[in-house]
Amino acid sequence: DQQVKQNSPSLSVQEGRISILNCDYTNSMFDYFLWYKKYPAEGPTFLISISSIKDKNEDGRFTVFLNKSAKHLSLHIVPSQPGDSAVYFCAASAENYGGSQGNLIFGKGTKLSVKP
Amino acid sequence: DGGITQSPKYLFRKEGQNVTLSCEQNLNHDAMYWYRQDPGQGLRLIYYSQIVNDFQKGDIAEGYSVSREKKESFPLTVTSAQKNPTAFYLCASGQGIVRMNTEAFFGQGTRLTVV
Repeated sequence: DQQVKQNSPSLSVQEGRISILNCDYTNSMFDYFLWYKKYPAEGPTFLISISSIKDKNEDGRFTVFLNKSAKHLSLHIVPSQPGDSAVYFCAASAENYGGSQGNLIFGKGTKLSVKP
Repeated sequence: DGGITQSPKYLFRKEGQNVTLSCEQNLNHDAMYWYRQDPGQGLRLIYYSQIVNDFQKGDIAEGYSVSREKKESFPLTVTSAQKNPTAFYLCASGQGIVRMNTEAFFGQGTRLTVV
């Protein structure tokens, strides 16, 4: 049973427009969420995070929104650039998650393509 | 430069052989993790270690083994018991013992191919 879901495997956006990547989760114990960016044949790199005590966190072109009641978060990239083309993983963490305290649970990723 | 290093980048193994993937970090992180990535899948946790000389199974530990004799090192052995070992393996480290509430730092990954 997938606890972190990224239902869109791919997204294509024109350069300069907004990219919106979505993520849903089912475990209400998750209280910390992160987005990672991954290029082919490389390790993921951290992009932005949000704690459950907030509903928005912004860092430059990247903003993450959290809707706890809907168990939904989204990553907005404005404006999108061709260099943003990558796979984006949503991840969630809980202070107490069985025996795996603090471990990250990843979604399957969304491949973003930004066209010039 | 601080970072996390995986080696080798590409690895080929004959069916039935064990192989060990290296992961070293100089970030002074307590926690280290091994993930596996398959096409169309998210990152799945194989093993993790939150402190030296201690490690725990993740979601897909069968056919794998690890050790954590030093804080800096967390090697992963893919044994012949792993039914489908061909994959991209990622090592990560993070701060803190109990809670990885900061970002994880990932290595560049090792692509393992069984031939």
